[in-house]
Amino acid sequence: QQQVKQSPQSLIVQKGGISIINCAYENTAFDYFPWYQQFPGKGPALLIAIRPDVSEKKEGRFTISFNKSAKQFSLHIMDSQPGDSATYFCAASKETSGSRLTFGEGTQLTVNP
Amino acid sequence: NAGVTQTPKFRVLKTGQSMTLLCAQDMNHEYMYWYRQDPGMGLRLIHYSVGEGTTAKGEVPDGYNVSRLKKQNFLLGLESAAPSQTSVYFCASSYSLAEGSYNEQFFGPGTRLTVL
Repeated sequence: QQQVKQSPQSLIVQKGGISIINCAYENTAFDYFPWYQQFPGKGPALLIAIRPDVSEKKEGRFTISFNKSAKQFSLHIMDSQPGDSATYFCAASKETSGSRLTFGEGTQLTVNP
Repeated sequence: NAGVTQTPKFRVLKTGQSMTLLCAQDMNHEYMYWYRQDPGMGLRLIHYSVGEGTTAKGEVPDGYNVSRLKKQNFLLGLESAAPSQTSVYFCASSYSLAEGSYNEQFFGPGTRLTVL
């Protein structure tokens, strides 16, 4: 049972374009939503995270948008660059889970020059 | 600091063989985790530990055992390997959860395991 569903599975964007990756969750107890970035041959690394008390969080070209009522959150990458080409995972956690994360399926992003 | 390291990087096993994957972290983290990554399925938690001497089951624990005898090490064992355990295995660690906070997980580089 996949508690966090992510789409699309793969995404191709031109340099300078906007990349958008969406996630939906089922468990209303989730209260922490990080995004991890993974380059080929490497482990995932935290990119940006949000708590549900805010609807948006921005760090440089990366923005998380959060819709609590719809139980959805998304990652927007503005001015996408070839160096952003990686696999992106959304995840969710709840305070009582001891930092355990439930991950989405992943999105392979390719940014063409 | 080396961060999180995993040994070995690659391994090929035959069905029924056993092996142990080693994870080590030098960040004095309390929590450690083992995940497996399969195409189209994201990362799934196998087992985790919230401190030395403690372990707990995650989402997909069957066929695996773990031990945390030292705070800096977390071992993942496969007692009798099966082709379904062909995967990339990641270890991660994090600080213990302070009240009201959420802690970043730091991942190792992974171990690619093939079971024939």
